[in-house]
Amino acid sequence: NAGVTQTPKFQVLKTGQSMTLQCAQDMNHEYMSWYRQDPGMGLRLIHYSVGAGITDQGEVPNGYNVSRSTTEDFPLRLLSAAPSQTSVYFCASSRAGANYGYTFGSGTRLTVV
Amino acid sequence: TQLLEQSPQFLSIQEGENLTVYCNSSSVFSSLQWYRQEPGEGPVLLVTVVTGGEVKKLKRLTFQFGDARKDSSLHITAAQPGDTGLYLCTITTPLVFGKGTRLSVIA
Repeated sequence: NAGVTQTPKFQVLKTGQSMTLQCAQDMNHEYMSWYRQDPGMGLRLIHYSVGAGITDQGEVPNGYNVSRSTTEDFPLRLLSAAPSQTSVYFCASSRAGANYGYTFGSGTRLTVV
Repeated sequence: TQLLEQSPQFLSIQEGENLTVYCNSSSVFSSLQWYRQEPGEGPVLLVTVVTGGEVKKLKRLTFQFGDARKDSSLHITAAQPGDTGLYLCTITTPLVFGKGTRLSVIA
């Protein structure tokens, strides 16, 4: 089925470890974004991309890196995990243009101990 | 960054009741989207509204975009347990979300 695939679904890290959350879409969407969802805080934008080779920071970028070498993939890297990064992470993609809807992955639940 | 305020934050109602949730901003936005998120899943798009005063219907859900394009509402008629979820409004490109209304419909 076409859509946005996120891996892994669950992850436990120790403080200071690094890891990459994977996101892939097969809809040839130009836009891709990463969000974190915390209780009472809603969904907050971490980084986004409007096309291959183009990325920009969102509301809460500190501690995260992204790259967009292909249209399909948009990995999110945690450089040195901290307990404050415990959250549910969602990747989303969309066609270019303000009126197109975003398709979300099913999320990665990350716990940093 | 435009701030989106959603109200109420929580809503618990009985099956068959009607309800309205709101999304407000102090700024004008060119378009707005509503999403529903169920537990353990990502948000799913319900509708996009782009014209001031626009009304869109999706079965028992009615979405309205304010004339001044600073607010929107979602009305659900005869709510069902399957309507339970987190309702999020967003402005687009990139997506900025309100904190959502968490709806619980009790059978």
